[in-house]
Amino acid sequence: DVKVTQSSRYLVKRTGEKVFLECVQDMDHENMFWYRQDPGLGLRLIYFSYDVKMKEKGDIPEGYSVSREKKERFSLILESASTNQTSMYLCASSSRLYGYTFGSGTRLTVV
Amino acid sequence: EDQVTQSPEALRLQEGESSSLNCSYTVSGLRGLFWYRQDPGKGPEFLFTLYSAGEEKEKERLKATLTKKESFLHITAPKPEDSATYLCAVLGLANQAGTALIFGKGTTLSVSS
Repeated sequence: DVKVTQSSRYLVKRTGEKVFLECVQDMDHENMFWYRQDPGLGLRLIYFSYDVKMKEKGDIPEGYSVSREKKERFSLILESASTNQTSMYLCASSSRLYGYTFGSGTRLTVV
Repeated sequence: EDQVTQSPEALRLQEGESSSLNCSYTVSGLRGLFWYRQDPGKGPEFLFTLYSAGEEKEKERLKATLTKKESFLHITAPKPEDSATYLCAVLGLANQAGTALIFGKGTTLSVSS
């Protein structure tokens, strides 16, 4: 089975901290994505990457950046965490053969 | 702009009471329509992909169908363990360089015994 692993299930960070969310997939997928999920708003795309060192902005990239130095790893960075970034963050990867697979999610609380 | 609308937002059923969830979409060239199940506090779990109008797929008590404007997820004789949020997503030709899914807000299903 394809696995997408997010490093933390729960995180609590302080306002202004720099936060790193890590995502690793084990199936050599080309594409990786970061979404956030909020009640009433659904899943919204933050950033995605279609290759190593390549990245594209999604619908809500403000306040975030990403890094993809290796094919299997896609990191989401909150440069200076704010309370409105409290959310569930979901990583996914995809390929033509295997479709889309999601990680278990990281619930981030910024206080 | 590609868009996905799911209805109803919430659905309460008795065990054994069949029903359907709706996913309406507008997309510039549908490359695929996806259904996911999501349990509280977990990531979405893949259920089905549909590619063209008229296509149907089944898995246990679930059956997904697709027309040119909408998809239905039919739940036959549901059980309490079917309680979850069901997400619909589309992949279109113009989506974000062609790779990112656009999601609806989901339908939360509760099945009571």
